[in-house]
Order: sequence, then structure tokens, then C-alpha cells
Amino acid sequence: GQSLEQPSEVTAVEGAIVQINCTYQTSGFYGLSWYQQHDGGAPTFLSYNALDGLEETGRFSSFLSRSDSYGYLLLQELQMKDSASYFCAVPNSGGYQKVTFGTGTKLQVIP
Amino acid sequence: GAGVSQTPSNKVTEKGKYVELRCDPISGHTALYWYRQSLGQGPEFLIYFQGTGAADDSGLPNDRFFAVRPEGSVSTLKIQRTERGDSAVYLCASSLNAAGGASDTQYFGPGTRLTVL
Repeated sequence: GQSLEQPSEVTAVEGAIVQINCTYQTSGFYGLSWYQQHDGGAPTFLSYNALDGLEETGRFSSFLSRSDSYGYLLLQELQMKDSASYFCAVPNSGGYQKVTFGTGTKLQVIP
Repeated sequence: GAGVSQTPSNKVTEKGKYVELRCDPISGHTALYWYRQSLGQGPEFLIYFQGTGAADDSGLPNDRFFAVRPEGSVSTLKIQRTERGDSAVYLCASSLNAAGGASDTQYFGPGTRLTVL
């Protein structure tokens, strides 16, 4: 089976940097994705790491260490609009057909 | 349309009733997914379609749940004899071809909030 662990809540100050961690246990591993979901909204894809290392997309970066079964999402220059829930997720096969999501980290950005 | 749409946005029903939830995927996307999300949890996979066929329905919780996609576009999730525990947000997502890689990014709809009284 698949399981992912994330902190339930994180609070950070506007303009700061925050890191959201994710550890996973999978029967096979193909990559780690991150999604953002605002309250009442749809999950939105942020990034995908199949290989070890850091992937940067604007203010957001995602890191993966397959040997440690660990990844994180790094948000820089935090803005109030970044307040949302963030989910890590893993596909259960070589494709994306069946994706298991973590329980999510609720990020609150404060002034 | 520009994105995935779902109707209705909210559905309130009584225990034991039958409900249908509709999903319109992004035009041209061959893969379609249904998820269920309870409060404070991540989306939980229910079923995945590639074209008209259900390629993986292992996430459907029991035989009260059924989904169809007869023409390979619009999909309907059907729940019979609803129970209070079925209350959740039902999310639909589509992707270009589910063959693996960046093209398989899943685009989610806004969801249908189902409340069973």
C-alpha cells in the first residue's frame, strides 16, 4: 500500500520562506507530486519530481530524496494568497492512473 | 470549455435516495478520474477511465457506487441507496492521455459537495 505523512498545519509570515515536508511509504515509487488547494476550490497541480534533486518553478520549488523516501515543497516570498492546503501525492503505477494523496498541510500566511 | 466542470455544485439528499453527479472533462482529454474528499483529508481515488472504459475501479467503496463514460467524454458517478457516510466532496479530474509523464498532469474540477441527511 501507499502512505504519505505531512504536518497538518504550518504558519508563516508574509515575505518569508516555508518548507512543507512529506515522507512516504510505497510498494513501488514513480515520483512525487505536489498540489495546492484553496478552501472550497479544486486541487491544482504544482510540481512533479521523478528524480532526486530540486525542481524550481518561480517562487515554488520541490525536492526529492528517493533514498530517504522524503520530499518537500519550498515556498519563497510568501504571499497572503499562498494560504491554502498543500498535498503531496504519489502515483501507484508507472502512469498517473491511481494517485494516493497525503492528508495535506494547511498553510496560513500571516501579515 | 476551458476547464473541468462538475454539476451540481451542491447536492443535498436524504438517506436511501439515488444521486447522479456529472463531470465534463477538458476537451480532448482521454483520461478521467473520480475522487472523494472528506473534510481535512486528501482526495481519495475512486475510479479511472481511459476513453469509455473503466480502467481501474478499485477505489469504489462498494457496489452502491457506479460510474459511466459512454462516449468517452462526459462521465456520471452514480450512488444508490445513499448513506450519511457518503457525504463528501466528489472531485473529477481529467488528463491528456494517462500514458505517463508531464502530459498526465491531472486537472481538477471544482467538485460536487454531497450532503446526505
